[in-house]
Amino acid sequence: DVVMTQSPLSLPVTLGQPASISCRSSQSLVYSDGDTHLNWFQQRPGQSPRRLIYKVSNRDSGVPDRFSGSGSGTDFTLKISRVEAEDVGVYYCMQGTHWPPTFGQGTKVEIK
Amino acid sequence: EVQLVESGGDLVQPGGSLRLSCAASGFTFSTYWMTWVRQTPGKELEWVANIKEDGSAKFYLDSVKGRFTISRDNAKNSLFLQMDSLRAEDTAVYYCARTARNPEFRGQGTPVTVSS
Repeated sequence: DVVMTQSPLSLPVTLGQPASISCRSSQSLVYSDGDTHLNWFQQRPGQSPRRLIYKVSNRDSGVPDRFSGSGSGTDFTLKISRVEAEDVGVYYCMQGTHWPPTFGQGTKVEIK
Repeated sequence: EVQLVESGGDLVQPGGSLRLSCAASGFTFSTYWMTWVRQTPGKELEWVANIKEDGSAKFYLDSVKGRFTISRDNAKNSLFLQMDSLRAEDTAVYYCARTARNPEFRGQGTPVTVSS
């Protein structure tokens, strides 16, 4: 199975400051159709996961533009340009290119 | 608005069975792959199974193969997960999600606890 490795696992941030989460896969995530099926999910405390970004860099409807995704091949990044209080939670990357789909361990974002 | 409402979770003894349901609305259900994902008590997310739009293809996590069966009823906009021979390690919150490779979660999940 493809292993998804996130870093850091804990990310204390100051309100208004940027934050960045890395996700690395054990194999390239480029699919045969040319798409790269790398997604980012946010899980706020007590809530279900919510998809933020799909196929590396496409923001879901309603997701603030302070969230952005980038990367290629095996290295991917989720960036928050200016962290707000509502961004507290756990962030997961997930690959859907290879069977079975697999998730990262999660990165806990908290306010300093 | 896309909605997915999971139900059927419960406390069950090891070796027991449960059938989870997911009621879909707000989109054309029959044109989407559907997926079950679970979140363990340790908060790990784990893909469980998915099913093609017409039900003709199904894929399972190795550890549930032969014990879980995914199915769907497109006439009723519903997704199901029949879980047999349940084990303690199946304890989790189960979510249904739209699509396979880039899943969208839209429900609150249904908790399954396997314990004697």
